[in-house]
Amino acid sequence: GAVVSQHPSRVICKSGTSVKIECRSLDFQATTMFWYRQFPKKSLMLMATSNEGSKATYEQGVEKDKFLINHASLTLSTLTVTSAHPEDSSFYICSAREGTLAKNIQYFGAGTRLSVL
Amino acid sequence: AQKVTQAQTEISVVEKEDVTLDCVYETRDTTYYLFWYKQPPSGELVFLIRRNSFDEQNEISGRYSWNFQKSTSSFNFTITASQVVDSAVYFCALLNFGNEKLTFGTGTRLTIIP
Repeated sequence: GAVVSQHPSRVICKSGTSVKIECRSLDFQATTMFWYRQFPKKSLMLMATSNEGSKATYEQGVEKDKFLINHASLTLSTLTVTSAHPEDSSFYICSAREGTLAKNIQYFGAGTRLSVL
Repeated sequence: AQKVTQAQTEISVVEKEDVTLDCVYETRDTTYYLFWYKQPPSGELVFLIRRNSFDEQNEISGRYSWNFQKSTSSFNFTITASQVVDSAVYFCALLNFGNEKLTFGTGTRLTIIP
């Protein structure tokens, strides 16, 4: 099956620093990738949709200057949490959709647990 | 607007018992897709199944089976002879045709007691 790799799996940082999370599709090309945030014992909240070579589309209430998304290639998207604060601590998980909209299965990475001190 | 409801927040069953996870959805579209994902303690979401709205056939994959009923807008998931490795949070999700965004339910935390 399609494999999505997400790195790092866990990061602890000081308040005010920036953290970059990578999401890679290993065995398929992903024209579209998605970034989600998940609070403890809660469902996934879509943050943004990322299309290769274009600007990400952010969901309402998500600060685009806070959460920078880059999708420079068909296999890599990155999420940078800028000037992280304790309230940004969460579980971030990416997904990648294979090919066209007709193949609309999203495959997920293993997630990144961010803890901001 | 679309919505997915998983009324069962947590379920615990003894190993080898059968268990059914409920999923009820709402959508105005006639063409849509339904999904089930499994999220084990490790965190990643594992794709289990996709079903399109025109295919109401039930599906069986090993110990897993799915019952799709458009008349009741339900897409229930049954695990037979449950095992400890089945312990996870299970999410049901809906995707309307032409839309990129998945609408997730709130998940059901399944615990299999050895």
